[in-house]
Amino acid sequence: QSALTQPASVSGSPGQSITISCTGSSSDVGGYNYVSWYQQHPDKAPKLMIYEVTNRPSGVSNRFSGSKSGNTASLTISGLQAEDEADYYCSSYTNYIVVFGGGTKLTVL
Amino acid sequence: EVQLLESGGGLVQPGGSLRLSCAASGFTFNAFAMTWVRQAPGKGLEWVSSISGSGSSTYYTDSVKGRFTISRDNSKNTLYLQMNSLRAEDTAVYYCAKYRTTMIASAFDIWGQGTMVTVSS
Repeated sequence: QSALTQPASVSGSPGQSITISCTGSSSDVGGYNYVSWYQQHPDKAPKLMIYEVTNRPSGVSNRFSGSKSGNTASLTISGLQAEDEADYYCSSYTNYIVVFGGGTKLTVL
Repeated sequence: EVQLLESGGGLVQPGGSLRLSCAASGFTFNAFAMTWVRQAPGKGLEWVSSISGSGSSTYYTDSVKGRFTISRDNSKNTLYLQMNSLRAEDTAVYYCAKYRTTMIASAFDIWGQGTMVTVSS
């Protein structure tokens, strides 16, 4: 049950695009199309942003998109806005359990 | 409105016990698996345990196996987490969350506000 690997921090200016990576193994990210991404603002509950690698829940901006290649999934945020500043976590299903990434702090400069 | 409301957190001594509850509303509770996820102060999210919609199947992260028990009462639309033999490293905000679909592999689409558990003497 090793955690998925995410960069500790990323940053970008308003209007720019950023990508957060999430690296696992063939047992989790690479083995299933059940990668999710969550956004968490300080002292708030996480919010689902992407599910099943590429899908956005109703109400989530289309500026958020997900992808996967091999054992690495990615979250891309285009047209950065101040409100996007938050922590982002990836997760993957693996054999009836769930593993999260360590989280990435996004700073909007 | 779909809503989850946790309760039962608090301060407990090492070795002690606590039972968390999560009251669900706004959806067909017994149709969806449910989960507990925790977050230690200043740390990331950690999956703790999940339970199927019927309650017949349960799953745990290794660090809580044998100490925590997840259960649900579908007649009361309530999820539980019984935590025994608590350790300092169990200190965290505990969130309950709903699976997006009936599949145990799906994402967590609805989260509660969290309840704080502090294990300290």
